[in-house]
Amino acid sequence: AQSVTQLGSHVSVSEGALVLLRCNYSSSVPPYLFWYVQYPNQGLQLLLKYTSAATLVKGINGFEAEFKKSETSFHLTKPSAHMSDAAEYFCAVSRMDSNYQLIWGAGTKLIIKP
Amino acid sequence: GAVVSQHPSWVICKSGTSVKIECRSLDFQATTMFWYRQFPKQSLMLMATSNEGSKATYEQGVEKDKFLINHASLTLSTLTVTSAHPEDSSFYICSARIRELPNTEAFFGQGTRLTVV
Repeated sequence: AQSVTQLGSHVSVSEGALVLLRCNYSSSVPPYLFWYVQYPNQGLQLLLKYTSAATLVKGINGFEAEFKKSETSFHLTKPSAHMSDAAEYFCAVSRMDSNYQLIWGAGTKLIIKP
Repeated sequence: GAVVSQHPSWVICKSGTSVKIECRSLDFQATTMFWYRQFPKQSLMLMATSNEGSKATYEQGVEKDKFLINHASLTLSTLTVTSAHPEDSSFYICSARIRELPNTEAFFGQGTRLTVV
């Protein structure tokens, strides 16, 4: 069975600093992994996805994530945080059955300090 | 990218009344749509999978008679919260995929904030 763990319910960084949001997965088959962002009172927007091509995936808004099979990780990074990056971030993995629905991490709230 | 439109974005209703939430895929056909509930500061909780032309598949613990799902066409799924009570107040979100493949992303509606008073 697949699962997703996001380390840290809250991450606080200063504006201009590196952003690192952690995601570890558990899967017995090659996973398909996703990062989504949610702004207050809105739906979710895809940031990037890993689908077994390049291990370093570039997404929107300057975010990228690296798939590391040996560490079963898919951490999200951004070199320089902007105030507009303050939001909730969710990591997800596709189930390999049942309509391939997504299994969600608990989410990490990113706080940007001026 | 594909667009999923959810309506209304917020609704306030009296306890005991019913509320219908619509989810439309605007530029693609979705044989399957997903309905989620999100409590404050928590992740998404899958409520049910809506299948076009057939009955929805509900997750364990979700009351079928309480949360009625209809997926009458390839572009529209509705969630009706029947006899709503204050504990049903929550943020409800729908999503759909263009193709039912594990490597395709889900597109989300804007969400509906339901407040039952």
